[in-house]
Formats: sequence, structure tokens, C-alpha cells
Amino acid sequence: AQTVTQSQPEMSVQEAETVTLSCTYDTSESNYYLFWYKQPPSRQMILVIRQEAYKQQNATENRFSVNFQKAAKSFSLKISDSQLGDTAMYFCAFMGNDMRFGAGTRLTVKP
Amino acid sequence: DTGVSQNPRHKITKRGQNVTFRCDPISEHNRLYWYRQTLGQGPEFLTYFQNEAQLEKSRLLSDRFSAERPKGSFSTLEIQRTEQGDSAMYLCASSSTGSTNEKLFFGSGTQLSVL
Repeated sequence: AQTVTQSQPEMSVQEAETVTLSCTYDTSESNYYLFWYKQPPSRQMILVIRQEAYKQQNATENRFSVNFQKAAKSFSLKISDSQLGDTAMYFCAFMGNDMRFGAGTRLTVKP
Repeated sequence: DTGVSQNPRHKITKRGQNVTFRCDPISEHNRLYWYRQTLGQGPEFLTYFQNEAQLEKSRLLSDRFSAERPKGSFSTLEIQRTEQGDSAMYLCASSSTGSTNEKLFFGSGTQLSVL
């Protein structure tokens, strides 16, 4: 089965600065997708960004971008110009035959 | 597109009682997932369906848990003889395999409290 590891239980960043959240995964599958989901206090899971494993180009969505290193099985999320509304739990997820999540990183954006 | 709907939003029950949750996925989605999440933790995979077929079930899932998706549309998750350790948020998600933009859409969850 796939495993997803997020080694940073908590992180904080000053408003307007940049922060990077780490994620590594383990799989024997060749075709898969990777995701970052955000979960604010409402506990609704919100998709932040998506990456297809077959694409070498890193995905970007406005202030959010990823650094996908397939050989290293690494998938980090960079948040630029952090905003107070970015405060949430962030989960890295792997989709192959099924979908698995990491344990999450609690991000706090400080004013 | 009305999104993924879960009912009830909250359920309080006494230990030993049976509970059933319902999930209505996005109508054209063929995959449906169930996850369990406790506070401060990531969603823990329970099971998933492709159409009406249950393709995988977590080994962490005891025999007290059962899920169905009889017509490949809505799904139910039943927990028999509930225990206090079953208290958690139960999340349902759906997706459409084969699409060029496959991703999971989540419902708002059912919060279970076992007293």
C-alpha cells in the first residue's frame, strides 16, 4: 500500500512571507496523482493543487506551487505571499489505485 | 452540481447502538470513498467503491463496519455495536475515474460521538 509522510506537524509563517510544506511518499505504481488539500477549522476539505506524475512541469495555482521530484518521491507545497486565510491543516495525498493522506501539517499565518 | 452530500451532519449515540450514515456523491462520479478522521489527524482510508463494487477495504476496519453502494449511486456506512473509540468525523468523497482532471470532492462529513 502507498504511504504518505508529512514530517512537519506544525509550521508558522509571517503574513506576506513564503513557506514550504514537505511531503514524501512511497509507491510502486508508475501512474498516479498527487494533491495538497487544505482543511480550515470548518473541517471542509478543499483542494489546493494537483499534480500528475507523468508531467515533469510543476503545477501552480496562483500563490501555490509544488516542487515535484519523482525520483526522490517528494512533493512539497510552496505558499507565496502568505495570507491570514491560509491558516489551516494541510494534507498531502496520493492517488493511485486508491487515495491515501498524510498526517497533516498545521500552518499558522501570523499577522 | 450539488456537491457531495452527507447525512446526518452530527450523530450522538450510546455505546453498543448501531448507526448508519449516508453519502450522496456527485451524480456522474463512479468512485466513492469513505474516510475516518480524528481531530488533528489526517483522513484514514476505510473503503472505496467503483460503481457498486467495493474494491478495497482497510484492514483497520473491523467486522463491525460495513459499507454498501447498492446501485452505484449513494452509499451507506453502518457501524454496529458502537464503541467510544469509533467517535470521529466520517468523511465521504467521490471522483470520476478516467477524467483528465481526476480529483476527490469531499462532503462536509458526519461527526459521530459515542457516549
